[in-house]
Amino acid sequence: DTAVSQTPKYLVTQMGNDKSIKCEQNLGHDTMYWYKQDSKKFLKIMFSYNNKELIINETVPNRFSPKSPDKAHLNLHINSLELGDSAVYFCASSQADRAYTEAFFGQGTRLTVV
Amino acid sequence: GEDVEQSLFLSVREGDSSVINCTYTDSSSTYLYWYKQEPGAGLQLLTYIFSNMDMKQDQRLTVLLNKKDKHLSLRIADTQTGDSAIYFCAERGGSGNTGKLIFGQGTTLQVKP
Repeated sequence: DTAVSQTPKYLVTQMGNDKSIKCEQNLGHDTMYWYKQDSKKFLKIMFSYNNKELIINETVPNRFSPKSPDKAHLNLHINSLELGDSAVYFCASSQADRAYTEAFFGQGTRLTVV
Repeated sequence: GEDVEQSLFLSVREGDSSVINCTYTDSSSTYLYWYKQEPGAGLQLLTYIFSNMDMKQDQRLTVLLNKKDKHLSLRIADTQTGDSAIYFCAERGGSGNTGKLIFGQGTTLQVKP
């Protein structure tokens, strides 16, 4: 009964490959997010979708393309992977239209590009 | 702009109190949050405080907010080894109701037995 689940948990791939990370939430939230955590543990938002509409795109390279088939799913596709893409990627969801909103996070996907 | 700063590391002995500090820049933030990240895990919300409050207590956790100085702190009483983790301060940023969170760098709390 995981609230926010993302797969895979670990992903090791070579430079230049294309890979996808999937995320699903069963909380009925209207907004989903992708955050990137670098090797220094710094967390920064990448994208956000509200009811399948892109509302935040934080100057992320075009190689990263989020896709939201419905409001319970937000996938992240990365083309032409580079060494600098190695990080932990967290999916999250919240009900953003409330004054108080709690973001629930997935367990993270550790991406290693070799 | 939006910026959240924390000290990077804190070491305490088991049973002592831990105080983790955070400063933020966006005075319009309505809610401020503390998240905990255990090794290899995602982020878990510990507690939050509304901007019109000065203090919030929840069992061993006490959050203090000084809105004038834009300073937030998290006090953990009777710190246990299981409290060892990274603690992130976050403010709700961005215009509109996006729910975007701006995180600090995280404070690694080391609890020595």
